[in-house]
Amino acid sequence: QLQLQESGPGLVKPSETLSLTCTVSGGSISSSSYYWGWIRQPPGKGLEWIGSIYYSGSTYYNPSLKSRVTISVDTSKNQFSLKLSSVTAADTAVYYCARRGSSGWRVWGQGTTVTVSS
Amino acid sequence: SSELTQDPAVSVALGQTVRITCQGDSLRSYYASWYQQKPGQAPVLVIYGKNNRPSGIPDRFSGSSSGNTASLTITGAQAEDEADYYCNSRDSSGNHSPWVFGGGTKLTVL
Repeated sequence: QLQLQESGPGLVKPSETLSLTCTVSGGSISSSSYYWGWIRQPPGKGLEWIGSIYYSGSTYYNPSLKSRVTISVDTSKNQFSLKLSSVTAADTAVYYCARRGSSGWRVWGQGTTVTVSS
Repeated sequence: SSELTQDPAVSVALGQTVRITCQGDSLRSYYASWYQQKPGQAPVLVIYGKNNRPSGIPDRFSGSSSGNTASLTITGAQAEDEADYYCNSRDSSGNHSPWVFGGGTKLTVL
């Protein structure tokens, strides 16, 4: 059974770079036709798609975050990562990693809370 | 970019039927997928494609689409269905275009 697990610092200072990793277990991150993505949820608010990386390595980002986001894959570790630069308090959220096939975002990590504060 | 609009809150009496809607231009081209989220938990996919349920999702959940509106229907709502529901679809600009979530609908079961 495929499982995803987010990891990374829970506290990031303003203007710094948020870095998170999603470890995939029970399956290969190189499996064809899947997107691996990051989705976040600020406290008390809705879901926001941040970006995705396709199994081919192509990346796709939310236009509103594109200038600050980088998503990459490390196939040797079966992981994919998120970097969000120049963070502000508005980036405080629960960050989820998830996998999408043709049937929607079917597999999610449990989420990790990131607070931006000095 | 596309936007998906949902009613912020909907209520339903126990055992009755409720429809949660999602409106957006991209829904003329792409099906929505629907997610249930309970407090403190990750979202769960409940409907995808034309009207498909992942295994383990009760058959009281169904989906439909017409024009620019996608709908999630719960027939015979149960207390455990009380949750936030989000629709998700692509922006209408291509097969690798960005995804967008609706703002979410808080469902209260009375």
